[in-house]
Amino acid sequence: DTGVSQNPRHKITKRGQNVTFRCDPISEHNRLYWYRQTLGQGPEFLTYFQNEAQLEKSRLLSDRFSAERPKGSFSTLEIQRTEQGDSAMYLCASSPTSGQPGDTQYFGPGTRLTVL
Amino acid sequence: AQSVTQLDSQVPVFEEAPVELRCNYSSSVSVYLFWYVQYPNQGLQLLLKYLSGSTLVKGINGFEAEFNKSQTSFHLRKPSVHISDTAEYFCAVSDLLTGGFKTIFGAGTRLFVKA
Repeated sequence: DTGVSQNPRHKITKRGQNVTFRCDPISEHNRLYWYRQTLGQGPEFLTYFQNEAQLEKSRLLSDRFSAERPKGSFSTLEIQRTEQGDSAMYLCASSPTSGQPGDTQYFGPGTRLTVL
Repeated sequence: AQSVTQLDSQVPVFEEAPVELRCNYSSSVSVYLFWYVQYPNQGLQLLLKYLSGSTLVKGINGFEAEFNKSQTSFHLRKPSVHISDTAEYFCAVSDLLTGGFKTIFGAGTRLFVKA
């Protein structure tokens, strides 16, 4: 069990550029979550997957954001036409195969995005 | 809609003193409640959670929390803190309306333990 990994750890981009982040969950965890955390705030739910199906997406997530989990393993989060307000830490978490409500979520170290 | 309010943004405390970090939530249905800790430059990790049953929940590192349904609270306590407890603590809630998987976090409480 190597934990949840995220790449890259840091990303600096210019406004208007597209960026993509990757999350590798703990092996055999079938649920995967994306959150965004800005300075001084708690993680903000963005979306989650059960296997390859995206089951819920926050209304706060604009059309510029898209997430995929094509084979039910790793996931990618893409932000198109980045804006300075997108600067934040993007967190990924996964939870075990039992899939019961209240299952512990295991968080990765996050990807820090800075939009200039 | 669910929401979580952490009543203190910062809590300074001396080493070996007791501490309570306060959390109130709002939800119209049965809830699951969590406390996570984030040490400097590390990812979030679960301290403890309440799903059902006993309202007093014990977690790692000597922390415990009590679920109070009538007051919609889930305060975190530790009888004697250590310097190493200095971290950001997040209260979180999910409920059955959202399948129990969409988790809403509070803004966090920064615990600073002084020698």
